[in-house]
Amino acid sequence: AQSVSQHNHHVILSEAASLELGCNYSYGGTVNLFWYVQYPGQHLQLLLKYFSGDPLVKGIKGFEAEFIKSKFSFNLRKPSVQWSDTAEYFCAVNAPGGRRALTFGSGTRLQVQP
Amino acid sequence: GAVVSQHPSRVICKSGTSVKIECRSLDFQATTMFWYRQFPKQSLMLMATSNEGSKATYEQGVEKDKFLINHASLTLSTLTVTSAHPEDSSFYICSASTGANTEAFFGQGTRLTVV
Repeated sequence: AQSVSQHNHHVILSEAASLELGCNYSYGGTVNLFWYVQYPGQHLQLLLKYFSGDPLVKGIKGFEAEFIKSKFSFNLRKPSVQWSDTAEYFCAVNAPGGRRALTFGSGTRLQVQP
Repeated sequence: GAVVSQHPSRVICKSGTSVKIECRSLDFQATTMFWYRQFPKQSLMLMATSNEGSKATYEQGVEKDKFLINHASLTLSTLTVTSAHPEDSSFYICSASTGANTEAFFGQGTRLTVV
């Protein structure tokens, strides 16, 4: 069975600070990896995804993530956060070609202070 | 991107009554939809996989007689919480994807409060 761990539950940053949110997964095979964001009162939106190829993935709004297979990690990064990045961030995985349902991490609440 | 619409966004019901939540894919056909439940300050937990034209597949520990899922068309899945109790109060979210190895699109979620 797949599992996803997000180490940071609540992160508080000042605007322009750099961001890195940790995500580790547990699964014996190939995985698809995702980061979703949930802004207050809104539905989940995809930030970026990794299926194969270049392990450094660039997403929307200046976010990127790096898949490190040896560490089973898919950390999310942004060089300079903005107040509008305040949201809940979820890492998720599923198995390519298999069950398409996502297994989510517990989420990280990011609070960016102006 | 594709749009998934979920209705209602909020519902309050009395204990013992049933509530139906709709999930529609607006601009694509979804043979499979997924229903998740999110507890406060926790992650999304998969409840069941809704399959068009066949029975839903429930995750372990989810009561299929309590959470009735119907996927009558390629664009609509419904989740009915039967004989709701306060412990069923939660945030319910549906999702669908256009195919294998594609991203999932999520509905806005439904906050159910049972009083």
